[in-house]
Amino acid sequence: GESVGLHLPTLSVQEGDNSIINCAYSNSASDYFIWYKQESGKGPQFIIDIRSNMDKRQGQRVTVLLNKTVKHLSLQIAATQPGDSAVYFCAENMDSSYKLIFGSGTRLLVRP
Amino acid sequence: DAGVTQSPTHLIKTRGQQVTLRCSPKSGHDTVSWYQQALGQGPQFIFQYYEEEERQRGNFPDRFSGHQFPNYSSELNVNALLLGDSALYLCASSLVGGGLAFFGQGTRLTVV
Repeated sequence: GESVGLHLPTLSVQEGDNSIINCAYSNSASDYFIWYKQESGKGPQFIIDIRSNMDKRQGQRVTVLLNKTVKHLSLQIAATQPGDSAVYFCAENMDSSYKLIFGSGTRLLVRP
Repeated sequence: DAGVTQSPTHLIKTRGQQVTLRCSPKSGHDTVSWYQQALGQGPQFIFQYYEEEERQRGNFPDRFSGHQFPNYSSELNVNALLLGDSALYLCASSLVGGGLAFFGQGTRLTVV
């Protein structure tokens, strides 16, 4: 079936450390990927995206890496802050489809 | 820019009733998608509207229907509510062609 294989783990990091959240996607035809952050009681908030013709993209404190060979996506957050505590989802999209396919998310907890 | 707005924020309905949820897209966006998010899971695509027509649908029964108005706003209707319909319903807007979608804060529907 179609899925972005992100089982629901919890990642606990110390404030100031770097965080790495991983995601395995199943559809090799997917060509666009997005990371969203969702805080409790809120809708998903866009963090960063990447197209399949790239293998790395950087934003402010965040980097997304794409490895198409093994169908793996990761989100790196530098100098993690308490405000980064949330559930993080990766989502995939195919050019021939209008929908985003989400995984189940990773909860990031930042210890002070 | 108000972003994507949804109403109401919370709703309690009785099994068998009908419900209508509303969404106004981000300024400049012409495409609206609806997602259902069960507790602890990633959002699941319900359908997408563009030019007042449904152009893609996920694996949801016909009890779920929608509408898009000329001003691009949208409604999600659910008939004959089941307990299992309890979830956070998310509206996302984008430009025609798919890709990056911006989400509203969601409507929390509880069916009792």
